[in-house]
Amino acid sequence: GENVEQHPSTLSVQEGDSAVIKCTYSDSASNYFPWYKQELGKRPQLIIDIRSNVGEKKDQRIAVTLNKTAKHFSLHITETQPEDSAVYFCAASLRGNNRLAFGKGNQVVVIP
Amino acid sequence: DAMVIQNPRYQVTQFGKPVTLSCSQTLNHNVMYWYQQKSSQAPKLLFHYYDKDFNNEADTPDNFQSRRPNTSFCFLDIRSPGLGDAAMYLCATSRVPGSGANVLTFGAGSRLTVL
Repeated sequence: GENVEQHPSTLSVQEGDSAVIKCTYSDSASNYFPWYKQELGKRPQLIIDIRSNVGEKKDQRIAVTLNKTAKHFSLHITETQPEDSAVYFCAASLRGNNRLAFGKGNQVVVIP
Repeated sequence: DAMVIQNPRYQVTQFGKPVTLSCSQTLNHNVMYWYQQKSSQAPKLLFHYYDKDFNNEADTPDNFQSRRPNTSFCFLDIRSPGLGDAAMYLCATSRVPGSGANVLTFGAGSRLTVL
């Protein structure tokens, strides 16, 4: 089955700097790659996603890049702010049906 | 404007005492999912309904059951909770087919404590 791994597991950045989280996946049939943000005690919320027919997608300070050949995709957050502090989960679609496999999450701490 | 509503938000039960968690949605999404999330871990899919079709994950214990009486509601039944079942249980929905396929909308979760 699909195996999704995230690196690093924790990331601390100074406010205003950029943060990058990388995910790798194993199933070449995966074609949808979302990123979810989960603040402490709250539900996961979709922040950006990308499908396999594009290599990059940007939404204000957030971008996602996809390398299908290498089977990895990355979340880029620019000009980080304290409210960006959260756990970020990547996910990849599973072959054949409507399911996602999640990575273990990455704790991002933005230091004011 | 909550669109995926879970009840109760917090549930305390005794070892072996059955519990039922509920999820309702106002999105008219045809797919509903139940995830288990333990502290500092990824959400783990237990099962999902595609319309009325039930899809169990291979490693979901028999102790976990689900019901979907209509489009709007889905229930998670834990027949005999063990200490290892203490977790946050997340309900999510999506709409397929179409551009929304695999885009999950999560509820706020139900946190289960087993004494």
